[in-house]
Amino acid sequence: EAGVAQSPRYKIIEKRQSVAFWCNPISGHATLYWYQQILGQGPKLLIQFQNNGVVDDSQLPKDRFSAERLKGVDSTLKIQPAKLEDSAVYLCASSLGVEQFFGPGTRLTVL
Amino acid sequence: EDKVVQSPLSLVVHEGDTVTLNCSYEVTNFRSLLWYKQEKKAPTFLFMLTSSGIEKKSGRLSSILDKKELFSILNITATQTGDSAVYLCAVVGSSNDMRFGAGTRLTVKP
Repeated sequence: EAGVAQSPRYKIIEKRQSVAFWCNPISGHATLYWYQQILGQGPKLLIQFQNNGVVDDSQLPKDRFSAERLKGVDSTLKIQPAKLEDSAVYLCASSLGVEQFFGPGTRLTVL
Repeated sequence: EDKVVQSPLSLVVHEGDTVTLNCSYEVTNFRSLLWYKQEKKAPTFLFMLTSSGIEKKSGRLSSILDKKELFSILNITATQTGDSAVYLCAVVGSSNDMRFGAGTRLTVKP
């Protein structure tokens, strides 16, 4: 069974630039999550989708972050414009039930 | 506000030692508690606990949940250098949203 795929694996940008991350969940998993993990901290949920609908985006900084999950499969997370404090690993996860399966993450460095 | 608190934040032991990692939580509409191991990449699943007092065991690792006192422990016996990692505790609410603790960084020295 293929796992959760994410790209790119690494991204370096300057502050005020835009960036987008892509996630392809495990086939058949209805729920998709985006997490932000800052160095030394646990992952923080940014947004949760059930199929292509948003279940929870209460911790998503909506002035600069956006996410979509068209057709209920792949998802993209965008940051525009980026700030220094956005430097983190962005993890995508998917699930059928309670257990979530994580992708390898995208490490974002904002200079 | 929901929260998950892990302790200690970091721990250094020698091979062969036994360690106990703690996770306490305050979450509305609790469904389950999960433990993950995170090395350099994505978290990998260890255990899911939903019922109090029932120990889950996998090799040298074991975990138990106390829903009355709102905590869980993860035990690792006869530690090895390969156990060095960050151990994350996460609590799942009614909509399958998962809130993570900050993690415990375990270092096992040879």
